[in-house]
Amino acid sequence: AQSVAQPEDQVNVAEGNPLTVKCTYSVSGNPYLFWYVQYPNRGLQFLLKYITGDNLVKGSYGFEAEFNKSQTSFHLKKPSALVSDSALYFCAVGAPSSGGSYIPTFGRGTSLIVHP
Amino acid sequence: GAVVSQHPSWVICKSGTSVKIECRSLDFQATTMFWYRQFPKQSLMLMATSNEGSKATYEQGVEKDKFLINHASLTLSTLTVTSAHPEDSSFYICSARPRGTGSNQPQHFGDGTRLSIL
Repeated sequence: AQSVAQPEDQVNVAEGNPLTVKCTYSVSGNPYLFWYVQYPNRGLQFLLKYITGDNLVKGSYGFEAEFNKSQTSFHLKKPSALVSDSALYFCAVGAPSSGGSYIPTFGRGTSLIVHP
Repeated sequence: GAVVSQHPSWVICKSGTSVKIECRSLDFQATTMFWYRQFPKQSLMLMATSNEGSKATYEQGVEKDKFLINHASLTLSTLTVTSAHPEDSSFYICSARPRGTGSNQPQHFGDGTRLSIL
């Protein structure tokens, strides 16, 4: 079975400071890893993914994440937070089938609050 | 590109009513669509996986007769909540994966439907 843990319900950061939203996962084999952002009363928007290759992946809106296999982590980071980054962030993991497809499992979400 | 439209965005109706929610991929074809339910301050719970032209695959604990899913074309899937009751009130979100772009591609989500049963 695959699972995702987002240990923080909420992360508070001042505008202009770096931010980190944590994610650890458990899956058999090599994982597909994703980050999504959700604004109030909206669906999820894709930010970035790790499938294979470089451990550091860059995504939308200046976000990046680093795949760490030994620590089974995929933390989301941004060098300088904006107030507009305030939203709910979801980490997701999928274990690819023999055909390469997957069904993701989502973490419970972390609310990011960026203070002016 | 890769826009998913979900309609309606908000529904308020009486107990016992059946409600249909539509999920359309506007600029791509989707052989697979997913239906999720989200409770306040909680993660997404996968309800079912919908494959075009075949029966949906429901997750354990999800009532097939309660939540009817139809995926009649490569751009449309519908979720019908039959005889809805207050406990069915929730935020329902669909997602779709583009056809033929590689099976490891991310899902694209609709904006969700807020269902309130009185």
